[in-house]
Amino acid sequence: TQLLEQSPQFLSIQEGENLTVYCNSSSVFSSLQWYRQEPGEGPVLLVTVVTGGEVKKLKRLTFQFGDARKDSSLHITAAQTGDTGLYLCAGLSYSGAGSYQLTFGKGTKLSVIP
Amino acid sequence: DAMVIQNPRYQVTQFGKPVTLSCSQTLNHNVMYWYQQKSSQAPKLLFHYYDKDFNNEADTPDNFQSRRPNTSFCFLDIRSPGLGDAAMYLCATSRDLPTSGETQYFGPGTRLLVL
Repeated sequence: TQLLEQSPQFLSIQEGENLTVYCNSSSVFSSLQWYRQEPGEGPVLLVTVVTGGEVKKLKRLTFQFGDARKDSSLHITAAQTGDTGLYLCAGLSYSGAGSYQLTFGKGTKLSVIP
Repeated sequence: DAMVIQNPRYQVTQFGKPVTLSCSQTLNHNVMYWYQQKSSQAPKLLFHYYDKDFNNEADTPDNFQSRRPNTSFCFLDIRSPGLGDAAMYLCATSRDLPTSGETQYFGPGTRLLVL
């Protein structure tokens, strides 16, 4: 079973601060996705990273995939109240017989305080 | 426009009373998934359909069943809900089976309460 550990589990910061959340595993993934989920809603895909060492930017969000494709980070610059939500990472791995499996972490619950 | 629609958004049922959750999609995707997400937990895949082929996860209880009568609709049936089945149930779709570049599109979820 592939396990993804996300840290911190909870994070509360002031508007305008920077933050980084982490997604770690002992397993190698073909790709890794980051989702944002608001209360009472389904997860919405933010980004997919595929290549080891890859860095992708989405406005104030910077995503990095580890060189060994076992870990990833999400950095938010100058957080805004609209960034509040649950950030989930999900790793894609080959599970045999031509099948792939998407494994989710438990998420980091971010609260940005005005 | 909503692409993955789940009804109802909130469902209350009684212990042991069968309940059906509904998902529909306008994307014409081949794959539809059902996930269970409990509070502060990761979404857990229950099963998925690739077209009409049903694929059950090994640890999904027999209490959970699914039907996909056509491309657009997929149902989750809980035959005898227990208190531990209270959760958010998420439906997702993807054009094809998960590969490196495939994206899953999630619906808003149905929150199930068991009394």
